[in-house]
Amino acid sequence: GAGVSQSPSNKVTEKGKDVELRCDPISGHTALYWYRQSLGQGLEFLIYFQGNSAPDKSGLPSDRFSAERTGGSVSTLTIQRTQQEDSAVYLCASSPQVLRGGGETQYFGPGTRLLVL
Amino acid sequence: AQTVTQSQPEMSVQEAETVTLSCTYDTSESDYYLFWYKQPPSRQMILVIRQEAYKQQNATENRFSVNFQKAAKSFSLKISDSQLGDAAMYFCAYRSAFSNQFYFGTGTSLTVIP
Repeated sequence: GAGVSQSPSNKVTEKGKDVELRCDPISGHTALYWYRQSLGQGLEFLIYFQGNSAPDKSGLPSDRFSAERTGGSVSTLTIQRTQQEDSAVYLCASSPQVLRGGGETQYFGPGTRLLVL
Repeated sequence: AQTVTQSQPEMSVQEAETVTLSCTYDTSESDYYLFWYKQPPSRQMILVIRQEAYKQQNATENRFSVNFQKAAKSFSLKISDSQLGDAAMYFCAYRSAFSNQFYFGTGTSLTVIP
């Protein structure tokens, strides 16, 4: 079946502009994660959605970052007033609900490469 | 916060040989999960192997196996019979059984030499 998809694949924007990044998770997956991967770095957790529960926003680096998940499916990560340090690859992952939380496999999308000029 | 350390930024291995990638982590928790993910140039992260901390037996998946040393907080990945398609960035990751957050290491770039 279809995997996690993200759009756009690449995005170039000017400093100060707002951007929206989209993630389509695997159908039926209740959990959705956003990560940021800066050059030469590991993955930095941003936000987590699980079903209809309130999202875990503890990883968002500033109030310029926000995310929504509509209808428990598609998610949008919005970065307002972009800065050059926001340049990175933004990865989305989804996973199914399991009986014992914590060990579920994450399925990643191909990411969106964001460049802020 | 938990930290995950991969001390080998780059590794290389001859095709058909065996290589071990290191990972250590810091936690005060007793119940958690550990993962190895592979990221090829296409950027698509793929799960390689997963270990549950409460299981003493080391996980294996075909040519991939781990050496999980809970007391030492070490979780190394062994790749046997290395193939050209194994060339990628490998990330070690930790997740508590009580939290939604995953913690990733900075990765090890593996080159497979024909």
